[in-house]
Amino acid sequence: EDQVTQSPEALRLQEGESSSLNCSYTVSGLRGLFWYRQDPGKGPEFLFTLYSAGEEKEKERLKATLTKKESFLHITAPKPEDSATYLCAVRGYGGSQGNLIFGKGTKLSVKP
Amino acid sequence: GAGVSQSPSNKVTEKGKDVELRCDPISGHTALYWYRQRLGQGLEFLIYFQGNSAPDKSGLPSDRFSAERTGESVSTLTIQRTQQEDSAVYLCASSPRGRSNTGELFFGEGSRLTVL
Repeated sequence: EDQVTQSPEALRLQEGESSSLNCSYTVSGLRGLFWYRQDPGKGPEFLFTLYSAGEEKEKERLKATLTKKESFLHITAPKPEDSATYLCAVRGYGGSQGNLIFGKGTKLSVKP
Repeated sequence: GAGVSQSPSNKVTEKGKDVELRCDPISGHTALYWYRQRLGQGLEFLIYFQGNSAPDKSGLPSDRFSAERTGESVSTLTIQRTQQEDSAVYLCASSPRGRSNTGELFFGEGSRLTVL
């Protein structure tokens, strides 16, 4: 069964304090790993897609990396506006294009 | 509007009643998805429509749940004989043709359903 586990559940950082969020996955053939950001009361907002081990994507203070078993979302010198829940999802060969398996998310709080 | 629109934003109903949730995707987006987000849980896939192809209904949790889509436009998710465990935020998303494989889904703000 395809599964995604995110850690930690919650993370509190001071502004400027860099850290990483983890997404461990098991999937029957990876067709893509996806990172989303979700603000309270809003729908998730797409950030990145990674397809193969060794791939990296960057956007502003965020950098996503992928290995064969996990992905990391690195946050460099975060700002309070980076506070949100970060969701990781995978799509495997066993499901349709629409069937993404999501983790429970990591709630990030960045204090000024 | 430019984004995915969902209605109602909030719905409170009594156990046993039927509810309908509506989704207006972004114009021109051929793919439409329904997900459910229960408190403290990850998003759960419900159903996926792609153009005129048969929908993937493999995520619907029971035969009380059904969804329809009119062409490449509006979709309605119907829950019959609601139960308390149906309480959740129901999220709709859409994506343009050829972009489904990138995982870039555009989500609406969701319909929060509370079953008393």
